[in-house]
Amino acid sequence: AQSVTQLDSQVPVFEEAPVELRCNYSSSVSVYLFWYVQYPNQGLQLLLKYLSGSTLVESINGFEAEFNKSQTSFHLRKPSVHISDTAEYFCAVSDRDTDKLIFGTGTRLQVFP
Amino acid sequence: DAGVTQSPTHLIKTRGQQVTLRCSPKSGHDTVSWYQQALGQGPQFIFQYYEEEERQRGNFPDRFSGHQFPNYSSELNVNALLLGDSALYLCASSLGTGELNTEAFFGQGTRLTVV
Repeated sequence: AQSVTQLDSQVPVFEEAPVELRCNYSSSVSVYLFWYVQYPNQGLQLLLKYLSGSTLVESINGFEAEFNKSQTSFHLRKPSVHISDTAEYFCAVSDRDTDKLIFGTGTRLQVFP
Repeated sequence: DAGVTQSPTHLIKTRGQQVTLRCSPKSGHDTVSWYQQALGQGPQFIFQYYEEEERQRGNFPDRFSGHQFPNYSSELNVNALLLGDSALYLCASSLGTGELNTEAFFGQGTRLTVV
């Protein structure tokens, strides 16, 4: 069975500092990987995804994630965070046959001024 | 494009009652999936509908049932509500299934409180 582990439940960071949110997954089959962001009282918004090809994927707002097959990881990074990045971030995996998403428990990113 | 819309946004029900939540998918999408997000947790897959049939199901009891209409909209029904059913219920729509489906769009969710 697939599973996703987000190692940090909360990550506090000062504005303009770099951040890394960690995600590890377990699966015996090829997978798609996703990062979603959830702002308070909102649904989920797709931040970025890895389907195939280049292992480094980027979002339009400066986040990037790298698929590492040997370490079964898909960590999310941003070189300089903004106050507006404060939100809950969820890593998710789906296999290529069943497109249901398996989510991690989330990481709360809190950016301080 | 209105995206995925869910109704109602908030709902309070009494234990033992039944509830129906509704979802309209993003324009052009034909697949609807439902997720339950308990407080402080990640979303958990309930089931998925495609071509008006339940295509796959997560580890949820039969009290949870659904329906998809010809216009691709969907309903989630929960019978005999328990306090533990209190959660944010998220609907996600996508185009196609399996390997063809590479992105799900989520609605704002319905916050269900069971008292």
